[in-house]
Amino acid sequence: AQSVTQLGSHVSVSEGALVLLRCNYSSSVPPYLFWYVQYPNQGLQLLLKYTTGATLVKGINGFEAEFKKSETSFHLTKPSAHMSDAAEYFCAVSASGNEKLTFGTGTRLTIIP
Amino acid sequence: GAGVSQSPSNKVTEKGKDVELRCDPISGHTALYWYRQSLGQGLEFLIYFQGNSAPDKSGLPSDRFSAERTGGSVSTLTIQRTQQEDSAVYLCASSSFGTGPTEAFFGQGTRLTVV
Repeated sequence: AQSVTQLGSHVSVSEGALVLLRCNYSSSVPPYLFWYVQYPNQGLQLLLKYTTGATLVKGINGFEAEFKKSETSFHLTKPSAHMSDAAEYFCAVSASGNEKLTFGTGTRLTIIP
Repeated sequence: GAGVSQSPSNKVTEKGKDVELRCDPISGHTALYWYRQSLGQGLEFLIYFQGNSAPDKSGLPSDRFSAERTGGSVSTLTIQRTQQEDSAVYLCASSSFGTGPTEAFFGQGTRLTVV
């Protein structure tokens, strides 16, 4: 079974500051890990994913995440926040690429001008 | 179509009525998922179809909920005798099957309001 914990349901950062959204997972098998973003009144969009290989994954809009097996973490970061980054972010895990996704409860990111 | 299509986009129904929500996945995608997103909550898994395998229904909250997928393509989620707590956005997603990694593409969702 897989599960995901997102620490912090709400995160606020100043424009230009570092964005760090935390995600820890639990999986009985090597996991596939995903970050999705949901902009206001829109559907979910894939930001990035980790499957195998390089543990630092780069995604769209300047986001990246690092898979740390020893810490069972897959935190999402962006060096400099933009106002357009305000959205809700969901971390998800799958046992493989062909299994259902299990999502965290989401983190709402607010950008302070 | 180019993406996952869901209909209707909005549905208001009276308590006790049955509703059907439709999902048209991306052509060729063998996996189809239904999730529910309630206000202030995350994405709750409902049901998962993969090819011709028996669906994973482990997330359906009660026997009032059912789903089918005809011909390996279109899926319908049915909620019988709707209750106010069923009000939520119902999201459908599809993904391809293969030996490599896949990603789920989501539709815009159906916002269900039970009054």
